[in-house]
Amino acid sequence: NAGVTQTPKFQVLKTGQSMTLQCAQDMNHNSMYWYRQDPGMGLRLIYYSASEGTTDKGEVPNGYNVSRLNKREFSLRLESAAPSQTSVYFCAGQRSLYMNTEAFFGQGTRLTVV
Amino acid sequence: TQLLEQSPQFLSIQEGENLTVYCNSSSVFSSLQWYRQEPGEGPVLLVTVVTGGEVKKLKRLTFQFGDARKDSSLHITAAQPGDTGLYLCAGEEANAGGTSYGKLTFGQGTILTVHP
Repeated sequence: NAGVTQTPKFQVLKTGQSMTLQCAQDMNHNSMYWYRQDPGMGLRLIYYSASEGTTDKGEVPNGYNVSRLNKREFSLRLESAAPSQTSVYFCAGQRSLYMNTEAFFGQGTRLTVV
Repeated sequence: TQLLEQSPQFLSIQEGENLTVYCNSSSVFSSLQWYRQEPGEGPVLLVTVVTGGEVKKLKRLTFQFGDARKDSSLHITAAQPGDTGLYLCAGEEANAGGTSYGKLTFGQGTILTVHP
């Protein structure tokens, strides 16, 4: 049981390049989320998908797009990378059981934009 | 957007000492989770508290949810070097009807270092 798997684990991009971060979960969660983690700022929500076929913006969506390909996969795309997007990106599957949401995270993608 | 203030941001202690990490907000949460993150890894769920005043224990870790469900604390007794890591609290938003939005708001995190 792999849980939540993210690829790639590391990436260096030049300003203006594009790339897609991949995420797949085998935990049968309806909801999937993309966060970015920066020093001293905790985790900030970029986009989420409450169910297959739906996506919504989070706290910091600018410069990103997402695709919920199916129940298992949720990808994050940077169309034109900027140095401000240097961060560690985490995908999470979340389950909600009556007023109780718990998140299960992948290992992260460490992205550097130069 | 609900905010969670976590304190302290950094904590450096000796093995065997006790410590408490706080997570505070002016907003009410339907539940609150604590996560632990090690370098190069994603956060891992430690505990979820749901009821105001609830106390949960996980070996040497004690978690408490405030009576008003606006704050929480994590207390570690006799800290060990293996406790070193980043501790994150996360609160779940709820609407006026009490239904969960399914969205979590994270605190800034507390970096704990326990020296042998």
